[in-house]
Amino acid sequence: NAGVTQTPKFRVLKTGQSMTLLCAQDMNHEYMYWYRQDPGMGLRLIHYSVGEGTTAKGEVPDGYNVSRLKKQNFLLGLESAAPSQTSVYFCASTWSSGNTIYFGEGSWLTVV
Amino acid sequence: GQQLNQSPQSMFIQEGEDVSMNCTSSSIFNTWLWYKQEPGEGPVLLIALYKAGELTSNGRLTAQFGITRKDSFLNISASIPSDVGIYFCAGPPAGTALIFGKGTTLSVSS
Repeated sequence: NAGVTQTPKFRVLKTGQSMTLLCAQDMNHEYMYWYRQDPGMGLRLIHYSVGEGTTAKGEVPDGYNVSRLKKQNFLLGLESAAPSQTSVYFCASTWSSGNTIYFGEGSWLTVV
Repeated sequence: GQQLNQSPQSMFIQEGEDVSMNCTSSSIFNTWLWYKQEPGEGPVLLIALYKAGELTSNGRLTAQFGITRKDSFLNISASIPSDVGIYFCAGPPAGTALIFGKGTTLSVSS
């Protein structure tokens, strides 16, 4: 029972490099989310999706892009990484807004 | 944008003490959720509240959905060392994506 799986778990990037974080869920959830977590800031929503082929901006979308080509996958891209994007990234999913959401184990990203 | 104000920011308590934390929002919520996060892991749901005035327990944890629908409370009774972690309140404003408070970091000394 995989639940929500994030890859990679750890990554170090140089400023200006690009990368993609992959989130996969096997629960047939409609809603998927990407959050970032920084000390003292809690979890801040980057982008989210309410269904296959749809995406929407969250609280801190700048510098990130997302895609939801398949229902089970939600990709988070950094086109040109900046040190300010050093953070822990969490993917989450749920059936619908207001229902329990399930989190992945996090992806630790460091931009140097 | 929407904000959840969670307090206190951190707590340092002795094993066996009771703990209370709360969360307030600037708008009405239809759902309140409480999560716990342990080091190196993602948040895990503790309690979900769906009705104003609702009081729900999960073992030593009790959470309440405020009558005004703009606040919620989480209590932990007789704390133990494994209660250590960060506790987050969360809710979906206007039926959109879930937003989180900034968390309450709990430390328990034995």
